[in-house]
Amino acid sequence: DAGITQSPRHKVTETGTPVTLRCHQTENHRYMYWYRQDPGHGLRLIHYSYGVKDTDKGEVSDGYSVSRSKTEDFLLTLESATSSQTSVYFCASNREVGGNNEQFFGPGTRLTVL
Amino acid sequence: KQEVTQIPAALSVPEGENLVLNCSFTDSAIYNLQWFRQDPGKGLTSLLLIQSSQREQTSGRLNASLDKSSGRSTLYIAASQPGDSATYLCAVTNNAGNMLTFGGGTRLMVKP
Repeated sequence: DAGITQSPRHKVTETGTPVTLRCHQTENHRYMYWYRQDPGHGLRLIHYSYGVKDTDKGEVSDGYSVSRSKTEDFLLTLESATSSQTSVYFCASNREVGGNNEQFFGPGTRLTVL
Repeated sequence: KQEVTQIPAALSVPEGENLVLNCSFTDSAIYNLQWFRQDPGKGLTSLLLIQSSQREQTSGRLNASLDKSSGRSTLYIAASQPGDSATYLCAVTNNAGNMLTFGGGTRLMVKP
């Protein structure tokens, strides 16, 4: 595994409050990703990063922003949380070795927005 | 837009059976395909990765095949055990090698 950690692992917050989720990886991987997983929708990409300060939108980016100031850290921010953002959030990073691009996932953060 | 479908959505088998999980994708221009396992409340664990130029990969009791031209992959589990109970997800990587599209998963229950 790529040694990916996420914090916090669980969070309950109220509508309208800002929330930041942190992803940390120790493998010096260039690519990092944020997904959300919801029943009936599977895993959907929110944002991804291809290097320090280099980020791009995924399929469901509205209401989310990201930042990557260091290779090892990728932050996901909900500027003003809504109930529709209640979900399980997964971070991943991409190992690029010998042409094999393989993604490894963190343990997830369960976010509840009341 | 790439779409990935997994059939069946759920499967229940008695211990010891050999079983096949199916994954299909609409765009054959892929970099590779990954199979993952997810236990309830946990993250995803990578099981097998098949490069677009490969036909199959094996790890222990697991064998994954890839037919890129027809947009299909299968995960074969031999001699299933209760510990194999989990959700199995397949995901295809785009041609650039940096984006995954996931299927909805197959929830497997192996009964003792």
